[in-house]
Amino acid sequence: DVKVTQSSRYLVKRTGEKVFLECVQDMDHENMFWYRQDPGLGLRLIYFSYDVKMKEKGDIPEGYSVSREKKERFSLILESASTNQTSMYLCASSPSGRTVNEQFFGPGTRLTVL
Amino acid sequence: AQTVTQSQPEMSVQEAETVTLSCTYDTSESDYYLFWYKQPPSRQMILVIRQEAYKQQNATENRFSVNFQKAAKSFSLKISDSQLGDAAMYFCAYRRRGSGTYKYIFGTGTRLKVLA
Repeated sequence: DVKVTQSSRYLVKRTGEKVFLECVQDMDHENMFWYRQDPGLGLRLIYFSYDVKMKEKGDIPEGYSVSREKKERFSLILESASTNQTSMYLCASSPSGRTVNEQFFGPGTRLTVL
Repeated sequence: AQTVTQSQPEMSVQEAETVTLSCTYDTSESDYYLFWYKQPPSRQMILVIRQEAYKQQNATENRFSVNFQKAAKSFSLKISDSQLGDAAMYFCAYRRRGSGTYKYIFGTGTRLKVLA
């Protein structure tokens, strides 16, 4: 079974703190994604990566950065957390190729910024 | 730009009954994938069913089936014999087909309640 794990289920941080959210997948997938999920807005893509050290901005990259130093690990960084970044953060991975490649999701990290 | 619309924020169904969740999308592409994902309360999002746009036959997975209308750009999910465990948020998603890495576009979700 594909496993995508996230470093924390719940996280509470203060405004201005630097926050690291980590995601690890064990299926050698090329692609990894970070989303935030907010009620009524669905899933919005923050960043994605298609290879080690490669990244592309999603729809809402402002205030976030990412790092992918190893294939299995994709980190989301909030340089200076703000209250409007309080949200559920979901990591996902998928293989490359022309086959139907679904995304596999982690359990999510519920981040609260006070 | 591609968009996915789920116009029903919330639906209810009686246990053992059938319910249909709606999804429409907009794209200029002819070759793509469509997905329905399920997110149970406090649990991981999982794939329910997927459809390849070039296939005319509607996908089916046990009690879950889709009604794919390509011309109308509609992709509804039918759940038959609803069970309490079907209660969840359901997301419709679109992805362009190809060997590159393309974004998945998600709808805003439909919360399904199953009444005992």
